[in-house]
Amino acid sequence: DAGITQSPRHKVTETGTPVTLRCHQTENHRYMYWYRQDPGHGLRLIHYSYGVKDTDKGEVSDGYSVSRSKTEDFLLTLESATSSQTSVYFCAISDGGLSTDTQYFGPGTRLTVL
Amino acid sequence: QKEVEQNSGPLSVPEGAIASLNCTYSDRVSQSFFWYRQYSGKSPELIMSIYSNGDKEDGRFTAQLNKASQYVSLLIRDSQPSDSATYLCAAPNDYKLSFGAGTTVTVRA
Repeated sequence: DAGITQSPRHKVTETGTPVTLRCHQTENHRYMYWYRQDPGHGLRLIHYSYGVKDTDKGEVSDGYSVSRSKTEDFLLTLESATSSQTSVYFCAISDGGLSTDTQYFGPGTRLTVL
Repeated sequence: QKEVEQNSGPLSVPEGAIASLNCTYSDRVSQSFFWYRQYSGKSPELIMSIYSNGDKEDGRFTAQLNKASQYVSLLIRDSQPSDSATYLCAAPNDYKLSFGAGTTVTVRA
């Protein structure tokens, strides 16, 4: 298995509080991604990174920010959590980021916003 | 936004039968496609990738790609209870992947 860890694995928080999720990889892969998964919607991309300090928005980026200060770490922050952000969040990594490359997923974080 | 659509599920098949999953995509430029399997409560794992027209076989799994029809499928032969999972089709979208909503397969013993 690709060396990807996510923390925390489970979190319950209240509306309006800030939340930071961490993704850590030991593969030295250049590309890192944050997805959310909700019933009926599959995996939707929130943000991605193509290098240290290089990030871009995905299709559902509103209400989320990211940072990548080191190759191995990619942080996802919910500045003020809302109930609509209750979801399962997956981090993924890939080596080349080209159309023929593949992505490997972390174990996921289940976030509940009350 | 490039769209990936999967045939609606859930799909229930008896043990030993063939499960057939379908996926269509909106972008004619896509050159590669991926099938991921996701067990309940787990993360997606890659099971097949296909880059050219035709069939690609890997054990009991066969992926079929028809670029002219913008259609990719996954066949699971001799289905086993351990194949019960949600299967996600994905197509590249610049340096990202676009995923279908998934098809849940249940193999009845």
